[in-house]
Amino acid sequence: EGQLVESGGGLVKPGGSLRLSCVVSGFPLSNGWMSWVRQAPGRGLEWLGRIKSKSDGGTTDYAAPVKGRFSFLRDDSKNTLYLQMNSLKNEDTAVYYCAEEWVAAKAYEIWGRGTMVIVSS
Amino acid sequence: DIQMTQSPSSLSASIGDRVTITCRASQSISTFLAWYQQKPGKTPRLLIYASSSLQSGVPSRFSGSGSGTDFTLTISSLQPEDFATYYCQQSYSTLYTFGQGTKLDIK
Repeated sequence: EGQLVESGGGLVKPGGSLRLSCVVSGFPLSNGWMSWVRQAPGRGLEWLGRIKSKSDGGTTDYAAPVKGRFSFLRDDSKNTLYLQMNSLKNEDTAVYYCAEEWVAAKAYEIWGRGTMVIVSS
Repeated sequence: DIQMTQSPSSLSASIGDRVTITCRASQSISTFLAWYQQKPGKTPRLLIYASSSLQSGVPSRFSGSGSGTDFTLTISSLQPEDFATYYCQQSYSTLYTFGQGTKLDIK
């Protein structure tokens, strides 16, 4: 069964940058459409976007709150997904999850456990 | 963006109760809707996809219905392990969105 493990979270100042990683095991990342979802403390789930498999063009889609600041990257040879976050704001404070999109169902069956990002001066 | 609105935001119920949670889309999304369960400190769990398809391993007391703009998640007989927060998620548009969540707790 597939497993996702995020890392790279921590404390960063407003305006700073951070790169999160999501290591995939149990299935080849190369086949996967991967997404990032975040959850601010005590709040609901917020979809951030996706990166498609290279065979499907490797294109990216971003939600409005992060478009232009966040970038999704993938290194299929390392079975690793990345979330590059720039120009961070206080409101980006959240647990960040990576998830594999079950394309046929257009839903998320496999999730990581998340990594916490705190943006604060 | 398509907005998803869940009601109620919170709900108290007893073991054995039948519970219904509603999700409304700001425009028609056909049946491109999924439901998730999340317990405190845990990862979301997929319950229902395509509005009414039960995910493998999910108990049959969970069911989903609806199309267009109005959807429901029903738990036919609440069990202790069902107390959690539930989210709907639309996948009709390129940019997916979640509802704000419904917290289900013990009366």
